[in-house]
Parts: sequence; structure tokens; C-alpha cells
Amino acid sequence: QKEVEQDPGPLSVPEGAIVSLNCTYSNSAFQYFMWYRQYSRKGPELLMYTYSSGNKEDGRFTAQVDKSSKYISLFIRDSQPSDSATYLCAMSGNAGGTSYGKLTFGQGTILTVHP
Amino acid sequence: KAGVTQTPRYLIKTRGQQVTLSCSPISGHRSVSWYQQTPGQGLQFLFEYFSETQRNKGNFPGRFSGRQFSNSRSEMNVSTLELGDSALYLCASSIGQGSYTGELFFGEGSRLTVL
Repeated sequence: QKEVEQDPGPLSVPEGAIVSLNCTYSNSAFQYFMWYRQYSRKGPELLMYTYSSGNKEDGRFTAQVDKSSKYISLFIRDSQPSDSATYLCAMSGNAGGTSYGKLTFGQGTILTVHP
Repeated sequence: KAGVTQTPRYLIKTRGQQVTLSCSPISGHRSVSWYQQTPGQGLQFLFEYFSETQRNKGNFPGRFSGRQFSNSRSEMNVSTLELGDSALYLCASSIGQGSYTGELFFGEGSRLTVL
């Protein structure tokens, strides 16, 4: 069983829809949670970063973390065709200077927003 | 500010050969991490270097190795290539210390095909 599980989709939605992306994890040591976005033929780029349980909002994006259930979500409101990409959840267990570059990623969800 | 540069972008090798990939991080970044991305396994952590020292290592065989130079540039080497080594190899840089933001800056990757 993988430490991080993410439904690979693909997910296809009409423009303007609300998109919900989810990941579950099994490693209780994970304390830091990220969502990365990867466009075709590009490297991933950080979209959202959260540390504690709860919600964090940034424009049309909301990240949600529930550590008790080991479940994280990303919501995209008013989705746009430019949001079409692969969305990867990522987690880290130790930011104390020894695991900066070590992230555990989910499989990635391929999202297509059609006009 | 220049981003992370990876060379070569594409390469084709045959089984049994070896390959060396190069990564130039963002200026001022001292941490360089390497990831392997495949459709089946997703993004998997290979290793991280910080100030010329390997700080973390993923679960890959010893055929995968790396190093970091004093200017923070990094190389990874794969010896005795196998068909299953065909993948996109991504390099990511970060400051590597101080306040943690979960942000890694990825290059566009080196796509390796093993025939």
C-alpha cells in the first residue's frame, strides 16, 4: 500500500464548475501538506502549502487538511480551461532541516476543464 | 531570475549502458533533489543533496547515484540501464534550510528512454 493515495482520474468538468481533488495518507509522521500543479511537458509548481488541520484559501483555491482522518483536499472554484493540468498532492514529515527536498507525492489527478 | 535547468532534455539509451543527467539549481539554492516520474508509479524521490552531501535517499537500487558540486550544480548517474528506468527525471531545488514552505522549484526534466 502506498503512503499517499490519490485518484488519478481523469477528471473532466465544464468551465465554471467546482472541482474537488482528494488524497489520503497512512503515515502519521506527515505534518506538511502541499498541492502541486503540473502542466504538460513542464515540471510541477507549488500551488498551496498547509501545515495544520483546517482550511487555507488563496483566490479560487482552497486547501483542506484533516489530520485526524489523514485526508486532504483541494477545491477549485469557478474552474477555467487554464486550470487543465495534473494536480499532485505532496507531503513531508520533517522540515527541521533534514528533509527539505524529500516529498512524498500522490499519483496525480489529471484535470480537464472544457469551455 | 533563472529557473532550474536540466540537461539533456531528451535521450535514448540501450539496456546496459549508463547515463548522466545534469541539473543547475536556482542561484542561491543549496538543496537539489532528484525525482523519477513514471505513469505507473508517479513521482518518486531518489535523493537530496545539500552542500555537497547526500542528505536523504529514496528506495532505489545502488545503480542510481548522484553528487553535488561546490557551486550546487548536481548530477545523477544511472548505471547498467534497464527498460524500467525509462522515465522523466526531475530535478528540484530549494533553499534547503530556514523557514519551511514546502516549495521545491522543479526543472522541466530529462526524458530518458531505454531500448
